[in-house]
Amino acid sequence: DIQMTQSPSSLSASVGDRVTITCRASQGISNYLAWYQQIPGKVPKLLIYGASTLQSGVPSRFSGSGSGTDFTLTITSLQPEDVATYYCQKYYSSPWTFGQGTKVEVK
Amino acid sequence: QVQLVQSGAEVKKPGASVKVSCKASGYTFTDYYLHWARQAPGQGLEWMGWFSPNNGATYYAQNFQGRVTMTRDTSITTAYMEVSGLRSGDTAVYYCARGGSMAGARVGHDYWGQGTLVTVSS
Repeated sequence: DIQMTQSPSSLSASVGDRVTITCRASQGISNYLAWYQQIPGKVPKLLIYGASTLQSGVPSRFSGSGSGTDFTLTITSLQPEDVATYYCQKYYSSPWTFGQGTKVEVK
Repeated sequence: QVQLVQSGAEVKKPGASVKVSCKASGYTFTDYYLHWARQAPGQGLEWMGWFSPNNGATYYAQNFQGRVTMTRDTSITTAYMEVSGLRSGDTAVYYCARGGSMAGARVGHDYWGQGTLVTVSS
């Protein structure tokens, strides 16, 4: 099975900072990569699919890039409401494996 | 609007089984795969498998093969996920989530149920 590895596992940044999270697949997955945001105590929310397509209603400060094995989620200007854990997930083929998550905190 | 509404919290003893339901509304039930994932306390998301409401086909992640069964009742647009042989490590919030369409479009999980907490304790 294809493994998904996220880094870092956690980060702390100031409001307004640019934040970058990476996700690496153990084999190529084209652009079949989604990003989710899970605010503490809440249900995961789809942010990005197809590696770079913003889900409807998601703020434009979120963006995704990459193809093949290396992917990036970027928050261009971190806001207090972005405190959450972010997960990548590959859906190129089954199993639709999640990354282990990146916890984002505000300093 | 699309909604996935799950059944309520459960407390089970080790060795027992639990069956969680997921009622879909706001779209054609048989047009989309339904997936299940779980999240143990303080841990990340773990994908469990998918189910086709159209023809009953299933795919179970290796960790769950032999212990998980996914079914549906199309007359009430409800999917079910049963876990047998429960152990303490199965204590988690279980989620249903919509997957790709039968027509082939895939965008990840665009809609999620609210989650069902299953606690396994003696």
